[in-house]
Amino acid sequence: KAGVTQTPRYLIKTRGQQVTLSCSPISGHRSVSWYQQTPGQGLQFLFEYFSETQRNKGNFPGRFSGRQFSNSRSEMNVSTLELGDSALYLCASTPTDTDTQYFGPGTRLTVL
Amino acid sequence: AQSVTQPDIHITVSEGASLELRCNYSYGATPYLFWYVQSPGQGLQLLLKYFSGDTLVQGIKGFEAEFKRSQSSFNLRKPSVHWSDAAEYFCAVGRSGGGADGLTFGKGTHLIIQP
Repeated sequence: KAGVTQTPRYLIKTRGQQVTLSCSPISGHRSVSWYQQTPGQGLQFLFEYFSETQRNKGNFPGRFSGRQFSNSRSEMNVSTLELGDSALYLCASTPTDTDTQYFGPGTRLTVL
Repeated sequence: AQSVTQPDIHITVSEGASLELRCNYSYGATPYLFWYVQSPGQGLQLLLKYFSGDTLVQGIKGFEAEFKRSQSSFNLRKPSVHWSDAAEYFCAVGRSGGGADGLTFGKGTHLIIQP
């Protein structure tokens, strides 16, 4: 089976812009979670989607949003980018909410 | 609130030597515990997990970890490290596998292998 794929792998934006990141889970996996990884804060949970519904959200401002499509692919969007949004954004998928998460390679976002 | 502490930010080990990475957690219920490894520029790869049962769990690449409830610890061990083990290691805790409400990660331990 193909693993979790994320596109693009690298992205450079400027402050104030918005960005959309994409995640394709492993085939058959219905749950998709997003994490932000920074040197200062480490890995932090952003939100999780299951069957197109957001079930849980971490402690992030409303500028961070996401959605999931009927084929389980997910996108996350960050509006009005700030310098502090520069990070590696990781996506993870599981077949159900009790199974182990499998992570993608991440999207490296740089905000200038 | 749940938390994970990895006390060692960096660890340097000679190739062929044994390794132990420490992890302490704080969690209100029976935890699900994980160790992930991250190589530069890569995502996270699962090394092993503990859900229940035998407290000594075996993982990939020759790693093992022991769950000690009394010490709230889940330390990762390997009897003989290889240069390819150089990476960042993360311990994580959750209510389940992580799908429903995410995992809480430690800040990571950077493993350096000396020749």
